[in-house]
Amino acid sequence: KQEVTQIPAALSVPEGENLVLNCSFTDSAIYNLQWFRQDPGKGLTSLLLIQSSQREQTSGRLNASLDKSSGRSTLYIAASQPGDSATYLCRVSNFGNEKLTFGTGTRLTIIP
Amino acid sequence: NAGVTQTPKFQVLKTGQSMTLQCAQDMNHEYMSWYRQDPGMGLRLIHYSVGAGITDQGEVPNGYNVSRSTTEDFPLRLLSAAPSQTSVYFCASSYLGKGEKLFFGSGTQLSVL
Repeated sequence: KQEVTQIPAALSVPEGENLVLNCSFTDSAIYNLQWFRQDPGKGLTSLLLIQSSQREQTSGRLNASLDKSSGRSTLYIAASQPGDSATYLCRVSNFGNEKLTFGTGTRLTIIP
Repeated sequence: NAGVTQTPKFQVLKTGQSMTLQCAQDMNHEYMSWYRQDPGMGLRLIHYSVGAGITDQGEVPNGYNVSRSTTEDFPLRLLSAAPSQTSVYFCASSYLGKGEKLFFGSGTQLSVL
């Protein structure tokens, strides 16, 4: 059974710093991995989707990497802003598995 | 550009009452699903569908029913609400379902007293 872990559960950093969020998974036979952000009381907004054949994806100040052999993905946020404060979740899809596995998220606070 | 629309946004029920959470998408997605989100437990799949007339159980299906009569709609029914069903419910949809980009609705916050 796939297990997805996001550590730490919460993180606070000063505005302007670069930061890395982590997503670890136990079964490396994944189809792809997707990063989301969730604002309080809101739904999940897709940030980046990485296919198993890819090493990284970039969108603006965000860069997501994937290392299947080590069972790890990272989300890099450059030059953090207060508007980046949210909970960040990753989800994993396995081959032949319609059922996706989500991490419990990292709550990020950017301090002005 | 509606995307995935969920109604209602908030609901309070008494134990034993029934209700239906509505979910509609306008992206012609084959795959639709329902999740519940509880503190410390992340998102857990309740039921999913890969097309009209096809549904299947997820991780926590007990106490919930679904049907998929059209591509656009995927309602979630609570037949006899219990306090353990107090949660935030999300509907999500995508193409194909095998790990394609997932789109979420804004959620329904349900309290069962």
